[in-house]
This record gives sequence, C-alpha cells and structure tokens, in this order.
Amino acid sequence: QQPVQSPQAVILREGEDAVINCSSSKALYSVHWYRQKHGEAPVFLMILLKGGEQKGHEKISASFNEKKQQSSLYLTASQLSYSGTYFCGTENAGGTSYGKLTFGQGTILTVHP
Amino acid sequence: KAGVTQTPRYLIKTRGQQVTLSCSPISGHRSVSWYQQTPGQGLQFLFEYFSETQRNKGNFPGRFSGRQFSNSRSEMNVSTLELGDSALYLCASSLSETGELFFGEGSRLTVL
Repeated sequence: QQPVQSPQAVILREGEDAVINCSSSKALYSVHWYRQKHGEAPVFLMILLKGGEQKGHEKISASFNEKKQQSSLYLTASQLSYSGTYFCGTENAGGTSYGKLTFGQGTILTVHP
Repeated sequence: KAGVTQTPRYLIKTRGQQVTLSCSPISGHRSVSWYQQTPGQGLQFLFEYFSETQRNKGNFPGRFSGRQFSNSRSEMNVSTLELGDSALYLCASSLSETGELFFGEGSRLTVL
C-alpha cells in the first residue's frame, strides 16, 4: 500500500513557505524525498532514517516521526526553481528493501513570481 | 561524473511485440532498480539487481523481466506488450542498499 501525500497540489508565491506530508500505514525504516520537474528524472532531495532525525540543506528540510510513520518536507522562502512534483518514497521496516521504494502519488508544487 | 543513461529515450511498439530497454548506471554503482511511471499508478517498483542477481521484485506479471551484466549495466524486457504497458520506464542506480537513488531520464514506451 502506497504512502499518502498531502496536499495533492499547492500554489505559492515566491518567498512563501510550504509543507508536504507523507503518511504510511506500515512501520517504516526510511523515507526518501524526490523532486521531479516536467519531462525530467526524479532528483533526490534527502533520506530520513528511523530515529526521528530532521535533515535539511539550504531552505529545504524534512522530519520523520517514527511513531506516527509520517514525514514532512518543509520548503521555506520558496523559489521559482522549487516548482515540480514532490514524491516521498518509503522503505518498510523489518528487512532490507534492496532498492524497493513505495512512492506516494506526488504533490504538485507551483511557485509563481 | 556521468549520470544514469537509458536507451532508447522514446519508442513506439504495437500490441503483442516485445521491447528491451537498457540502463547504464553511474560508474561504481552496483545496484540498479527499475520503476514504471504512469499518470494513474504513479511510480511503481519493478525489480532490483545487484551483482547480476535479482534481489527484489515488484508486483508485475512475468512478462516483465530483467537482467544485469557483469559491468552493472542492466536491461529490462517486456514481452507480449499490452496497451497498459505504455509508460515511462525509469532506471535508478545506487551506491548502497539504502542510499539515494540516482534516476535516469527514462525510456518512454508507447504501445499502439
């Protein structure tokens, strides 16, 4: 069963903030976040491993709540280049998934000038 | 450092035919995964190879198969194509078992 992302779409003005959530019904080992621009390959943003750590670089950060099996991606002071579809990909706990990620349906983020 | 290379980028086939897609991973990456991306189903895992061995497989029919060569290059094959096989097929390589996936630009297959 795939994780559920919310919202499905979000429209921002440059400089505004956004939060994208990813929720799973299964115990997770890790959560990956990727961004895909139209016609391009998904690009890795970050991995969060079991342990509730928060990661980030520049103005994009993420958290992983192991107890709730939820992850959130935080985009602050959005830029035009942030536009794209954001996917979370999850690895289930209990064994090595060997490259198998279960992806959410994606969140379309549009940033306007 | 060259990225993941997939060929062909676009192809059109008719129902009943078969197709072979190729993927060259980033140098040094031994894990190669394949995903199918469609508007309706999103990104779905097909299979993963490491050192020429399939370690994991998704829920796709046996018409979907793959292999990996000693140089880590990988191919996937779809036989007896159906209209529903039309999709973007993405290959991703990884340095470690739980590391980030580096995706290629994909092979867009259209089945008529």
